[in-house]
Amino acid sequence: DTGVSQNPRHKITKRGQNVTFRCDPISEHNRLYWYRQTLGQGPEFLTYFQNEAQLEKSRLLSDRFSAERPKGSFSTLEIQRTEQGDSAMYLCASSPGTGLLNTEAFFGQGTRLTVV
Amino acid sequence: SQKIEQNSEALNIQEGKTATLTCNYTNYSPAYLQWYRQDPGRGPVFLLLIRENEKEKRKERLKVTFDTTLKQSLFHITASQPADSATYLCALDPSPGSASKIIFGSGTRLSIRP
Repeated sequence: DTGVSQNPRHKITKRGQNVTFRCDPISEHNRLYWYRQTLGQGPEFLTYFQNEAQLEKSRLLSDRFSAERPKGSFSTLEIQRTEQGDSAMYLCASSPGTGLLNTEAFFGQGTRLTVV
Repeated sequence: SQKIEQNSEALNIQEGKTATLTCNYTNYSPAYLQWYRQDPGRGPVFLLLIRENEKEKRKERLKVTFDTTLKQSLFHITASQPADSATYLCALDPSPGSASKIIFGSGTRLSIRP
């Protein structure tokens, strides 16, 4: 297992188009997180899954954003009708999620989205 | 409101000196506090986790302290090297005892000059 994998690494899209990103977490990690990061800022929480259940979604996330984790394995993040303000690095992370307290998160390399 | 605050200004340190980074939080009762390193264009990498019943944690040249009374964690790098230059993020679980997200601070950029 080589860690958390994200695809694509880079995506350039025209405003108004839909984009989908994929995240493959570390095998057997129960928790999967999506974050968004802009220059000079820390990762901003978007949503997270415990197995296949989406437990929380940020109130900052508009209805244009949707995430899935079918079968509790890989996850996809879709952004519909992209806007220039969506340009950012989208980070995925996974953690073992044993018990109720969080342990460390393992991050992927991220997908850099540029909306032109 | 809940906040995690880190030094927003970059920290410049002479090689060999100890770098100290600060993380302050308000309106959280974290059971765990974590520190990550992030290099440009890459995802954060976990460094250390400290529990609320631990005052101090060490790993090689790294030391983290956790003061739940002051609501502050300090992150120290001793004998700093240019390779330690990166952004350092603190993070915590805002709802210990129930499965929840991990919240990150904005990070402090550290530069070690030779």
